[in-house]
Amino acid sequence: GENVEQHPSTLSVQEGDSAVIKCTYSDSASNYFPWYKQELGKRPQLIIDIRSNVGEKKDQRIAVTLNKTAKHFSLHITETQPEDSAVYFCAASIRGGGADGLTFGKGTHLIIQP
Amino acid sequence: DTGVSQDPRHKITKRGQNVTFRCDPISEHNRLYWYRQTLGQGPEFLTYFQNEAQLEKSRLLSDRFSAERPKGSFSTLEIQRTEQGDSAMYLCASSLGTAHGYTFGSGTRLTVV
Repeated sequence: GENVEQHPSTLSVQEGDSAVIKCTYSDSASNYFPWYKQELGKRPQLIIDIRSNVGEKKDQRIAVTLNKTAKHFSLHITETQPEDSAVYFCAASIRGGGADGLTFGKGTHLIIQP
Repeated sequence: DTGVSQDPRHKITKRGQNVTFRCDPISEHNRLYWYRQTLGQGPEFLTYFQNEAQLEKSRLLSDRFSAERPKGSFSTLEIQRTEQGDSAMYLCASSLGTAHGYTFGSGTRLTVV
């Protein structure tokens, strides 16, 4: 089955700086790659996703890039703010998030230092 | 709140007891998923429904676990003869289809003592 590795496990950046979280996946058939943000004690919330026919996607301060050849994808957050502090999970799916469910990474705890 | 609702929020049970959790998805979402999340880990897929049909089950879902979605609306997840290793957050999610992301519920935190 699919295996998703996520790095780093903890990332501390100064407010205003950029943060990058990286994930690799094992199954070349995976075609859907969402990112979720989970604040302490709250539900995971979808923040951005990308499909395998696209190399990059942006939404304001957040961007995701996908390298299908290398089987890795990354989350980029620019101009970080205190409210960006949370655990971020990447995930991958073969059927576009359908019947096989999502395989999640172990998460990155992002800490924004004031 | 018209999001995904889960009940109860917290459940403490003695080892060996049976527990049942409920999930009410967003009304127009035909796809429903159950995940389990332990501390410091990402959610792990358990099972998937499209309308009332259970189309996929993870090998993580032992015979003690059963899920239903009668009439394609709410879903229940039952754990029989609970074990301490079942202690986790059980998350439900729903979606409109493969072109749409999931919306997760707030989860049911199970503690087996």
